[in-house]
Amino acid sequence: SQTIHQWPATLVQPVGSPLSLECTVEGTSNPNLYWYRQAAGRGLQLLFYSVGIGQISSEVPQNLSASRPQDRQFILSSKKLLLSDSGFYLCAWNPGANVLTFGAGSRLTVL
Amino acid sequence: AQRVTQPEKLLSVFKGAPVELKCNYSYSGSPELFWYVQYSRQRLQLLLRHISRESIKGFTADLNKGETSFHLKKPFAQEEDSAMYYCALSGGTGGFKTIFGAGTRLFVKA
Repeated sequence: SQTIHQWPATLVQPVGSPLSLECTVEGTSNPNLYWYRQAAGRGLQLLFYSVGIGQISSEVPQNLSASRPQDRQFILSSKKLLLSDSGFYLCAWNPGANVLTFGAGSRLTVL
Repeated sequence: AQRVTQPEKLLSVFKGAPVELKCNYSYSGSPELFWYVQYSRQRLQLLLRHISRESIKGFTADLNKGETSFHLKKPFAQEEDSAMYYCALSGGTGGFKTIFGAGTRLFVKA
């Protein structure tokens, strides 16, 4: 069956520290992968999406970057976190017909 | 630019009352419209899509291209409908992207 995993589930990091959130998909190949940030009152903001290995499209200029080192792996990173990077990060993949399947999310708190 | 607008952040109704969650969009091309729902302590998941033209959990949504709206409706709200609802748009000139609205929290009171 097809599943999507995200980790860590929660993360508390000091300002200026690096970040790495990982997302993997099982049971499929060459999926379209997405990173969203969910913030209260602002809905779901599309951060990055990828249609293949090494192919990353950035939607919002910011302190974050994404990489896709393997077909079913999508990583969200930052070299130096800001307070404004706090939020709930969701990974998603597109199993077809433009429908998204979401992971459980990673809650990041930057102190 | 593609945009999805959900004007209500919070909607509170009594059980058994009709409910309508509003969604308006702007697009370039031929987008697909969706409603996603997030129940407490659950993952965000698809509720319905305009292409399917089906009723899910008693909810329906009709795409009105003239008014560029895709409002979600249910004639009789239930307490278990309490959740966060997101309207989303995909395709058009955005290609692989799916854009979401700010979301509406529905609270159904007993």
